[in-house]
Amino acid sequence: IAGITQAPTSQILAAGRRMTLRCTQDMRHNAMYWYRQDLGLGLRLIHYSNTAGTTGKGEVPDGYSVSRANTDDFPLTLASAVPSQTSVYFCASSDSPSGTYNEQFFGPGTRLTVL
Amino acid sequence: GQNIDQPTEMTATEGAIVQINCTYQTSGFNGLFWYQQHAGEAPTFLSYNVLDGLEEKGRFSSFLSRSKGYSYLLLKELQMKDSASYLCAPMDSNYQLIWGAGTKLIIKP
Repeated sequence: IAGITQAPTSQILAAGRRMTLRCTQDMRHNAMYWYRQDLGLGLRLIHYSNTAGTTGKGEVPDGYSVSRANTDDFPLTLASAVPSQTSVYFCASSDSPSGTYNEQFFGPGTRLTVL
Repeated sequence: GQNIDQPTEMTATEGAIVQINCTYQTSGFNGLFWYQQHAGEAPTFLSYNVLDGLEEKGRFSSFLSRSKGYSYLLLKELQMKDSASYLCAPMDSNYQLIWGAGTKLIIKP
């Protein structure tokens, strides 16, 4: 693994189903993030984690949950998918959530369609 | 509230220079990032400004004026591969990035 990976690449999901998007990084970064990107809108933060064992809510957390059991993995779960959750989901990581430099590295994204 | 404003789309000619402007209003400020995103791909880091002034990095430069809540990205000697969206993202007082919708740059031969 080099950098940050996401799985699956794309998924079509029936409304009401549960789905977990996976994200793994091998850079030993402390902070990780989940964004959704919709046409015409900026990236919107769903949840974040500043360090293993802690998580926080972003701008649009409703309908999503996360966990951070270790440094490398940060899965995003949709408990009961709805069509408005159709989007491209990006996972990102950074060495530090604060300080003078906080460059975020992005995974390739997961394209999710909820029907 | 927090707000980022950048043009939706710009067109420029190969070999020319283009300036992409970004104005922002955030709760606190801890620097501003520019990212490039090619269609269907993930955003990638271009630049970071925390102090006023111009930061130059090869063909790309980024400028910041904190008092005006203004930044621009300057791309010189445009190449076809520069066709992409450019995302402006200031960092607020909680060190969260606030993302603009991006400027789609179209390069014509």
